[in-house]
Amino acid sequence: NAGVMQNPRHLVRRRGQEARLRCSPMKGHSHVYWYRQLPEEGLKFMVYLQKENIIDESGMPKERFSAEFPKEGPSILRIQQVVRGDSAAYFCATSSGGSTDTQYFGPGTRLTVL
Amino acid sequence: DQQVKQNSPSLSVQEGRISILNCDYTNSMFDYFLWYKKYPAEGPTFLISISSIKDKNEDGRFTVFLNKSAKHLSLHIVPSQPGDSAVYFCAANDNAGGTSYGKLTFGQGTILTVHP
Repeated sequence: NAGVMQNPRHLVRRRGQEARLRCSPMKGHSHVYWYRQLPEEGLKFMVYLQKENIIDESGMPKERFSAEFPKEGPSILRIQQVVRGDSAAYFCATSSGGSTDTQYFGPGTRLTVL
Repeated sequence: DQQVKQNSPSLSVQEGRISILNCDYTNSMFDYFLWYKKYPAEGPTFLISISSIKDKNEDGRFTVFLNKSAKHLSLHIVPSQPGDSAVYFCAANDNAGGTSYGKLTFGQGTILTVHP
């Protein structure tokens, strides 16, 4: 976990509001993965990004969810018009690249939708 | 469609004994497997991995065994310590299928409790 930062750690939103989750990769890492963990379940892949590019968003819900990894700054997972079913822990993981390079996870953001 | 399954939600062992955590998968394209450990309120931490060209990989107290014909892998922890108490996730990746990146598929996790 060392070096991967996520904020906020806890986020409470009311239905219909927007949630923005940030992930700052470990130094030297330019590959970012977002995973979601629903209660009592394992982590589910959402999206994979490199700097300024979305490579694979096959795990993202088609509506309301978007992700970016700009040239400067953290990666952002954005959820518009949140619903109660979006309540989950969202983790980002970063790596230096390659399919077998170790992914280092951040501490996660726990989103609660009231 | 649960492609990676950990059928035991929990496991309890005595300190000093062996812990064996199991994982089954259904996707025959998976060729790289990992175990992660997770404490409450933290992100998963990488433990050990194994490529499908091997059937065993060892790192200190942790050994992962892979049985490709049975589509089964297991993690052995010997000797178990109270600090090993955590949730353990197995994960798999399909490298040969064209994904040159680490798109991991996770199991549901097994809660390991090691009693002093």
